[in-house]
Amino acid sequence: AQSVAQPEDQVNVAEGNPLTVKCTYSVSGNPYLFWYVQYPNRGLQFLLKYITGDNLVKGSYGFEAEFNKSQTSFHLKKPSALVSDSALYFCAVSPSVVSGNTPLVFGKGTRLSVIA
Amino acid sequence: DGGITQSPKYLFRKEGQNVTLSCEQNLNHDAMYWYRQDPGQGLRLIYYSQIVNDFQKGDIAEGYSVSREKKESFPLTVTSAQKNPTAFYLCASSIHAYEQYFGPGTRLTVT
Repeated sequence: AQSVAQPEDQVNVAEGNPLTVKCTYSVSGNPYLFWYVQYPNRGLQFLLKYITGDNLVKGSYGFEAEFNKSQTSFHLKKPSALVSDSALYFCAVSPSVVSGNTPLVFGKGTRLSVIA
Repeated sequence: DGGITQSPKYLFRKEGQNVTLSCEQNLNHDAMYWYRQDPGQGLRLIYYSQIVNDFQKGDIAEGYSVSREKKESFPLTVTSAQKNPTAFYLCASSIHAYEQYFGPGTRLTVT
């Protein structure tokens, strides 16, 4: 069975500093990996995805994520954090070999707080 | 929030009443999903539908029911059998095993 772990419930970072939100996964075969962001009382917004190709994936709002197959990780990063980046971040996984639309499996989320 | 609408944004019901949450999409996506979100528990899958007139139970389907009579619509009924229905409910759709697009959510409060 596939699963996602986000080991940190909360990440605090000073504005202007680099940020990392961690994600590790478990899936049979090659994964499709995703990051979403959620602002209070809103739905999830797609940030970026890894399907195949370059291990470094660039997404919306200056975010990027690095796929590391040997460590089964897909950490979200940003070189310089903004206060407006404060939100709840979810990592999700799907096996690449699927029949039909298999639902994504989500981690429990990491709350990012960027302090001015 | 893309082309997915959920209504209403806030919903209040008395215990023992069934309530139906609406989800409509104009993205022409085949698949639709319902998730429940509780603080500290992430997203938990209730039901999903890969095609019209077909749906599958997710991890926490007990006390919920769905229908998929049209491609655009996937309403969720929270029945009186659901022991703890107060939560934030999110609907999503997708075109394949790629990214899901989410609606803005409905916050249900049952007292």
